[in-house]
This record gives sequence, structure tokens and C-alpha cells, in this order.
Amino acid sequence: GAGVSQSPSNKVTEKGKDVELRCDPISGHTALYWYRQSLGQGLEFLIYFQGNSAPDKSGLPSDRFSAERTGGSVSTLTIQRTQQEDSAVYLCASSAGELKETQYFGPGTRLLVL
Amino acid sequence: DAKTTQPTSMDCAEGRAANLPCNHSTISGNEYVYWYRQIHSQGPQYIIHGLKNNETNEMASLIITEDRKSSTLILPHATLRDTAVYYCIARATSGTYKYIFGTGTRLKVLA
Repeated sequence: GAGVSQSPSNKVTEKGKDVELRCDPISGHTALYWYRQSLGQGLEFLIYFQGNSAPDKSGLPSDRFSAERTGGSVSTLTIQRTQQEDSAVYLCASSAGELKETQYFGPGTRLLVL
Repeated sequence: DAKTTQPTSMDCAEGRAANLPCNHSTISGNEYVYWYRQIHSQGPQYIIHGLKNNETNEMASLIITEDRKSSTLILPHATLRDTAVYYCIARATSGTYKYIFGTGTRLKVLA
């Protein structure tokens, strides 16, 4: 079946501009996660959605970052007033919902802020 | 989640078994050991996970020591396409849900 998809695959923007990154989880998966991977680094947790529960935003690095998940499916990560240090690969993952369920990752969006 | 430590890099000859170690000495009883790999420019790919018993699937085998303080991922017949960064993660089944990734082991399979 279809895996997690993300768009765009690559995004180049200028410092100060806003960007939106999209994630389509695996159909039927109720849990959705966003991670960030800076060059040569491991993955950094950003935010977690589970069903209709309030999201866990504890990993968001600043108030310029926000995410929403409409209809319990597609999610959008928004970065306002981008900075050069926001340049990274943004990865989305989904799981069937139980805490022990395996997370499956999308291919990521490579963001470059000039 | 327990902290995991892995060697920074390893080489393996093509066709031979690749044995990737992971130390998780502070693991608690409800934490699973997960392995993922990340091939250049792709998202992490799930490989295998286990709690205390050894596990095998079509990709790999996972050997967990009896005291659960360490584990080994075994790729039985490594191919060039197995060249990737391999991450070992200890993840609780309750209370937390995010993966905490370290820097992993960079495996290079040599022709």
C-alpha cells in the first residue's frame, strides 16, 4: 500500500519568508509525528498528533513553528519568518496509533533558507 | 527513553554478515529496542524491533542479551544497497511515544 508522502520534496526560500510543508500519512494511521534532521545530525522530535487529542508540541523550537492536522489525516507544518538555521530535512512519520506501534517515515522535505 | 550508544562507523564485505552492536545499559523493562536505517537522502526505514526475545524477519535478525543491556542487528548477507546509517532506539510502550535518535552507525558495505 501507499506509504507516507510529503510535499514538496525540496524547498528553497529566502530568509524571512513563511513556508508550509505537507504530510499525508498512511491511510488509517491515527498518529502523526514531525521530526527535523539537520545536516549530519540525528532526528529531532518536533510535534505529535494522536486522533482528536491535543497535540504534543513540546519539541517545537520556537513560536515561529506551528502545525495542524485537519480531519485527522493530512498535516501541515508551518514555519514563519524563516531563518537560516531552519535549513534541514523535515520528516513526517505515522503509526497505527498505539504507543508501541512502529512509526513509518516519509521521504522528507529538504528546506534551504538562503 | 533509555540512551543508546553505537559505534560511529563500520565496514562489511559484500555477501558477509554485518553485525551492528548497540548498548542500552539503562534500558527499562517496558522499553522496546527498535532499529531503523537511513539511506542517503531518504527517510528512515523500519527494520525490526524486539522486547527481550530474539527476532527475525525478511530483512534482519535482532539478538538481545538476556540482561537486555545490549543488542546486535544482523544483516545476514550484506549487499551494497545496505550501505546506510543504522539507528538503534530504545522506546517505551507507555508514557512516551517520540523516538529519540542518536547519531547511529554508518555502515559501508564494500564490494
